[in-house]
Amino acid sequence: AQSVTQPDIHITVSEGASLELRCNYSYGATPYLFWYVQSPGQGLQLLLKYFSGDTLVQGIKGFEAEFKRSQSSFNLRKPSVHWSDAAEYFCAVGSNFGNEKLTFGTGTRLTIIP
Amino acid sequence: DAMVIQNPRYQVTQFGKPVTLSCSQTLNHNVMYWYQQKSSQAPKLLFHYYDKDFNNEADTPDNFQSRRPNTSFCFLDIRSPGLGDAAMYLCATSRGLAGAQITQYFGPGTRLTVL
Repeated sequence: AQSVTQPDIHITVSEGASLELRCNYSYGATPYLFWYVQSPGQGLQLLLKYFSGDTLVQGIKGFEAEFKRSQSSFNLRKPSVHWSDAAEYFCAVGSNFGNEKLTFGTGTRLTIIP
Repeated sequence: DAMVIQNPRYQVTQFGKPVTLSCSQTLNHNVMYWYQQKSSQAPKLLFHYYDKDFNNEADTPDNFQSRRPNTSFCFLDIRSPGLGDAAMYLCATSRGLAGAQITQYFGPGTRLTVL
């Protein structure tokens, strides 16, 4: 069965600093990988996704993520965070085998300090 | 803009009083999902519809039911809400269940309070 681990429950970053959120997955074949962001009291918004091809994926709001098969990782990065990036971030994994649902990580809460 | 809409955004019900949450979509997607999300936790899938085919997760309590009268609408019925059912309920859609079609798009959620 597939699984996702987000090792960091809570991260605090200064505004303007760079950000990296970690995501490790467990899956026997090439996974489909997603990052979602959830602002307080809101639904989940898709930031970016990886299916195949270029392992560096660009998303919305200036985010990017890199798929590293050797490390079973799909870390999310942003070069300079803004106060509006404060939110909960979820990594998710799916498969291409059909009739599969997404498996979500437990999330990382991002706090931005001035 | 194509989207997933949930109504109401906030719902207050009494212990044991049936409640229905609504989800609609303009994406014309085949699959609709219902998730339960408790504070500081990942969303937990309750069930999904592929067209009219209903798929219940093994650990979803019988207290939770769903209806999908047409492609655009899906309802979550909680027959006898308990205090433990207070949560955010998220609706999501996807084009399909294979390949790139599994990308899910979420609505804004309904926050359920049980008194």
